[in-house]
Amino acid sequence: DTGVSQDPRHKITKRGQNVTFRCDPISEHNRLYWYRQTLGQGPEFLTYFQNEAQLEKSRLLSDRFSAERPKGSFSTLEIQRTEQGDSAMYLCASSSGQGAYEQYFGPGTRLTVT
Amino acid sequence: QKEVEQDPGPLSVPEGAIVSLNCTYSNSAFQYFMWYRQYSRKGPELLMYTYSSGNKEDGRFTAQVDKSSKYISLFIRDSQPSDSATYLCAFLSGSARQLTFGSGTQLTVLP
Repeated sequence: DTGVSQDPRHKITKRGQNVTFRCDPISEHNRLYWYRQTLGQGPEFLTYFQNEAQLEKSRLLSDRFSAERPKGSFSTLEIQRTEQGDSAMYLCASSSGQGAYEQYFGPGTRLTVT
Repeated sequence: QKEVEQDPGPLSVPEGAIVSLNCTYSNSAFQYFMWYRQYSRKGPELLMYTYSSGNKEDGRFTAQVDKSSKYISLFIRDSQPSDSATYLCAFLSGSARQLTFGSGTQLTVLP
């Protein structure tokens, strides 16, 4: 068990560009979550998948954000037409079907929009 | 009123001290209570979770929950420099899947 992995770890992009992040959950975990964390704040929920189905989306997830989890394995989070306010750490977490209270986080992708 | 309140610190203590970290919450639907540790520029690491009032101990860490006062605490005994990190409280209601986090308390343990 190698834990949750995320790629890339850092991304610098110009305003208006599209970016895509990838998350690989712990292999036996069927639940996957995306959070966003800004400096000095706790993570804020973005979206949740159970297997390949996206079951919950936060109001923070504007139309420029889209997430997928094909085949219920890895997940991608895409941000279109990035804005400076999108600069944050994007965290992925996973849990088994037994408990959403045991969410294990990856190292995060730090996005900087210039 | 914010759903979760957590003193941001920073908190600085000498090595070996007992550390007390606290959060208050307003949502009566919260049923699970978690503590995460986050080192600088890393993802949060789950330390402990509990779902009942009272104390839960794991090594040098003790989580305490008082549902009647809507107050949770994390105690760290014999604190070490390696405990220097940001500590986040997190909450989950029974029907929800997303965690609600506090803003974190930054702790430094001085050698």
